[in-house]
Amino acid sequence: DTEVTQTPKHLVMGMTNKKSLKCEQHMGHRAMYWYKQKAKKPPELMFVYSYEKLSINESVPSRFSPECPNSSLLNLHLHALQPEDSALYLCASSQRGIAGGEQYFGPGTRLTVT
Amino acid sequence: ELKVEQNPLFLSMQEGKNYTIYCNYSTTSDRLYWYRQDPGKSLESLFVLLSNGAVKQEGRLMASLDTKARLSTLHITAAVHDLSATYFCAVDYTGNQFYFGTGTSLTVIP
Repeated sequence: DTEVTQTPKHLVMGMTNKKSLKCEQHMGHRAMYWYKQKAKKPPELMFVYSYEKLSINESVPSRFSPECPNSSLLNLHLHALQPEDSALYLCASSQRGIAGGEQYFGPGTRLTVT
Repeated sequence: ELKVEQNPLFLSMQEGKNYTIYCNYSTTSDRLYWYRQDPGKSLESLFVLLSNGAVKQEGRLMASLDTKARLSTLHITAAVHDLSATYFCAVDYTGNQFYFGTGTSLTVIP
């Protein structure tokens, strides 16, 4: 199984809502990532988890809160978002610490903040 | 500051023609990846290049890596419409943190 799954596929939320994005992989990967991608731009790294611990936080606003409950799951909790947070949110996973650590991407969640 | 630059940013080419996309990066690394992204979709892995001189080929696409020049190329041979997509290179500097290039939007015209 070389698949990374993400739910939901689409999400529309108001600025006062709280919602969560979910990502799951069963490849035994120990590194998982959240990226944000705006239209016609490259993915921007938000967070990296390594062995279920947050190892990189790219100065992301606190309205985004990541969580890694176990080695297969990664969540992104959303609260009080702004319209400019509307984007495609991609999850990825890779083998940790192995040369050639190709990242496998999930299908993404298309988020619209109204 | 780490930079990964691709050129061209936009490429319109006729079917049957050849072309090369370039990926330049600013700091030494011997791990470079190419991804394809169709509109509204996620990233699909194309090539993994892990050493100086590495060359990989799949169908009409061939990727190479020159770590001394800090340059990777993605060569398209006899383009077909199905290759229309955005192509990203990504450099791995630290062992698991990718820095993506600016992307090249390719349109193949019949």
